[in-house]
Amino acid sequence: RKEVEQDPGPFNVPEGATVAFNCTYSNSASQSFFWYRQDCRKEPKLLMSVYSSGNEDGRFTAQLNRASQYISLLIRDSKLSDSATYLCVANQAGTALIFGKGTTLSVSS
Amino acid sequence: NAGVTQTPKFQVLKTGQSMTLQCAQDMNHNSMYWYRQDPGMGLRLIYYSASEGTTDKGEVPNGYNVSRSTTEDFPLRLLSAAPSQTSVYFCASSLYWDQILTSGANVLTFGAGSRLTVL
Repeated sequence: RKEVEQDPGPFNVPEGATVAFNCTYSNSASQSFFWYRQDCRKEPKLLMSVYSSGNEDGRFTAQLNRASQYISLLIRDSKLSDSATYLCVANQAGTALIFGKGTTLSVSS
Repeated sequence: NAGVTQTPKFQVLKTGQSMTLQCAQDMNHNSMYWYRQDPGMGLRLIYYSASEGTTDKGEVPNGYNVSRSTTEDFPLRLLSAAPSQTSVYFCASSLYWDQILTSGANVLTFGAGSRLTVL
């Protein structure tokens, strides 16, 4: 079983919409979590880290639910420039990062 | 510009040929990684190096070899190319290999990728 699972989408939303992605992880020992963004044919780049208390960065909000072993990413007021693939990432102490397969978002005007 | 540099950006090989993908970072990061990305498969870890002089297998190491003789460089060698190795390869580095959130600077920085086609 893949350690980090995401709905591949695509999620097609109009500009201004709010969209949420969930990601589940199988290893309860996972301790740190991230969301990366990957534009078409480009390298992944860190979007935000996910803290236990939840965190917000502008229009983006990340949440962690340890009991249910999932993390979420909420994007408010979607922009055309938000169109990308969003990668969920988890790791436990002493291991390299494990990436999910990604969720594709397409924002249209 | 500081970051991770991969060469070549594009390469076409014939089955059975060998080659080396180069990766260099100038951020004085301790840890370096090689991932491959295939459609529908996401990013899969090939090899990683927690620090200079050490290497460890990732999820899909077969058919590849690595070495880490300097802090800056982490080359990936394809020993005998196969069509199944057609992929986009990303090199990455981080300050430490343990990604526990002890520092906001401890994130994974990727190179721009190397697109390899094996005929």
